Amino acid sequence: AQKITQTQPGMFVQEKEAVTLDCTYDTSDQSYGLFWYKQPSSGEMIFLIYQGSYDEQNATEGRYSLNFQKARKSANLVISASQLGDSAMYFCAMREVNAGGTSYGKLTFGQGTILTVHP
Amino acid sequence: ETGVTQSPTHLIKTRGQQVTLRCSSQSGHNTVSWYQQALGQGPQFIFQYYREEENGRGNFPPRFSGLQFPNYSSELNVNALELDDSALYLCASSTQGRGVEQFFGPGTRLTVL
Repeated sequence: AQKITQTQPGMFVQEKEAVTLDCTYDTSDQSYGLFWYKQPSSGEMIFLIYQGSYDEQNATEGRYSLNFQKARKSANLVISASQLGDSAMYFCAMREVNAGGTSYGKLTFGQGTILTVHP
Repeated sequence: ETGVTQSPTHLIKTRGQQVTLRCSSQSGHNTVSWYQQALGQGPQFIFQYYREEENGRGNFPPRFSGLQFPNYSSELNVNALELDDSALYLCASSTQGRGVEQFFGPGTRLTVL
């Protein structure tokens, strides 16, 4: 079974500073996908970034980058130049890939980290 | 491009009642997944529908059931509601394939009294 662990219930960061949100995972699968989502108070889950288990380079999307360390089974999210609008709940998630290599839809989520950006 | 929509946005029911939640997938997406998110928790996978058939199920009892229609929209039905069913229900649509992201709707907040 897959498991995602986010050990930081809450994080605080000053506006314009960088922040790292931790995520470790556990799986026996060789092929898997890792995702980060942002959930503002409105409730909608917003996709931020994706890392495939066979991707050799760390994923980047604008101000978001994923620090993928496969041997340590960690997939930390780095947000650079924090903005007030980044204040939200952040979830790390893992997706199973079935035996045929296609993506089976189940996402396993962690407990989340609440990020608060101070002016 | 129309995003994922869900209805209703809020719903209040009493124990023992039945509820139907609806989801319209994003244009071009043929797969719909449903998640339950209790307050302060991460979402939990309920099930996924692909080509009108259930394509995987999480650890939820049979009173949670679903449908997918030819236009790929979907329904989540919950029978015999319990207090613990109070949660945000999220629908996500995607295509099939390695690494594709799931696009989430705004959710339906269900309160069971």
